[in-house]
Amino acid sequence: DAKTTQPPSMDCAEGRAANLPCNHSTISGNEYVYWYRQIHSQGPQYIIHGLKNNETNEMASLIITEDRKSSTLILPHATLRDTAVYYCIVRWQKVTFGTGTKLQVIP
Amino acid sequence: GAGVSQSPSNKVTEKGKDVELRCDPISGHTALYWYRQSLGQGLEFLIYFQGNSAPDKSGLPSDRFSAERTGGSVSTLTIQRTQQEDSAVYLCASSLEAGEGSPLHFGNGTRLTVT
Repeated sequence: DAKTTQPPSMDCAEGRAANLPCNHSTISGNEYVYWYRQIHSQGPQYIIHGLKNNETNEMASLIITEDRKSSTLILPHATLRDTAVYYCIVRWQKVTFGTGTKLQVIP
Repeated sequence: GAGVSQSPSNKVTEKGKDVELRCDPISGHTALYWYRQSLGQGLEFLIYFQGNSAPDKSGLPSDRFSAERTGGSVSTLTIQRTQQEDSAVYLCASSLEAGEGSPLHFGNGTRLTVT
């Protein structure tokens, strides 16, 4: 099964870009990379997904390496409301989200 | 509504009682998923539906757990003879279709406490 590895925690200064890395070295050719975040006591919120090309939406940008073995989620101007646990997953069906990266945005 | 709706938001039950948790997916979404999340843990996959069929039930932790979906819409997760270890947040998600490229959209969950 494809599996992801993320750092357990990161800090980011308010207003700066937050760059969250994810390794997925066993990803298959047709598997997308998805990013979600979870704020305490809420359900996970979908952020962005991609296959090969870099993607951008109103929330974030997703940079996927050419070999697809890793990706980075970029929050361009982090705010205090971006403090959350961020999950990177690569298997749509029987996904186990793991423990993700706890991002703390600091004033 | 615009999002996935789950009810009740909180449920406290006594050990040994049965509980039913309800999920209303986003209109038009054909796939529906159930997860649970214990305190401080990641999400654990339970079951998913494509339409009214559940191709994969292997995530259900025991035969006390069952789920059904009717009319390709509402789903209920039933836990019989609840145990204290069943205490968790039960999350439902839906997606436009089952398959790659179709992200999941989650509800805010039902917090189940078994006393």
